[in-house]
Amino acid sequence: AQSVSQHNHHVILSEAASLELGCNYSYGGTVNLFWYVQYPGQHLQLLLKYFSGDPLVKGIKGFEAEFIKSKFSFNLRKPSVQWSDTAEYFCAVNAPTTDSWGKLQFGAGTQVVVTP
Amino acid sequence: ETGVTQSPTHLIKTRGQQVTLRCSSQSGHNTVSWYQQALGQGPQFIFQYYREEENGRGNFPPRFSGLQFPNYSSELNVNALELDDSALYLCASSQDYPDTDTQYFGPGTRLTVL
Repeated sequence: AQSVSQHNHHVILSEAASLELGCNYSYGGTVNLFWYVQYPGQHLQLLLKYFSGDPLVKGIKGFEAEFIKSKFSFNLRKPSVQWSDTAEYFCAVNAPTTDSWGKLQFGAGTQVVVTP
Repeated sequence: ETGVTQSPTHLIKTRGQQVTLRCSSQSGHNTVSWYQQALGQGPQFIFQYYREEENGRGNFPPRFSGLQFPNYSSELNVNALELDDSALYLCASSQDYPDTDTQYFGPGTRLTVL
């Protein structure tokens, strides 16, 4: 069975600092990878996704993620955070076999707090 | 906003009761997935509906059931509620293969079981 591990449960950093959130998954085959964000009081929003091609993926709001197949990782990065990036971030994975399309497996989430 | 709506926003039930949660998909989407998000955890896949048929199920008992209607809206029904069913229930809609994995979430229904 697939599993998704997010390394940090809580991260606190100052505005303009760089952010990197770790995500590892356990599945040996082809995977589709996602990062979702949940701002306070709002619904889950898709930040970026990787299906194939360039392993460096750019998403909305200045976020990017790098897929490293050999490390089973899909880490999220942002060079300079803003107070408005305070949110919970979820990594999600799916192995796109014929009976698993759309059945995302999520990590436990990382709560990010950006202080002014 | 994704265009996915859910009702009600909040719900309080007692143990043993039954509950129905509703979801309206984003326009043009024919697949609906339901997830349970317990406090402090990531969403867990419950099941998915595609063109009114169940199309896969996660590790949830049969008392969790669903429906999808011709207009692609959907319901999640939970019978014999237990305290552990207290959670945020999320609905996500998506398009047909190969875009099924790109899901757009609604705001959720917060269910409290007392």
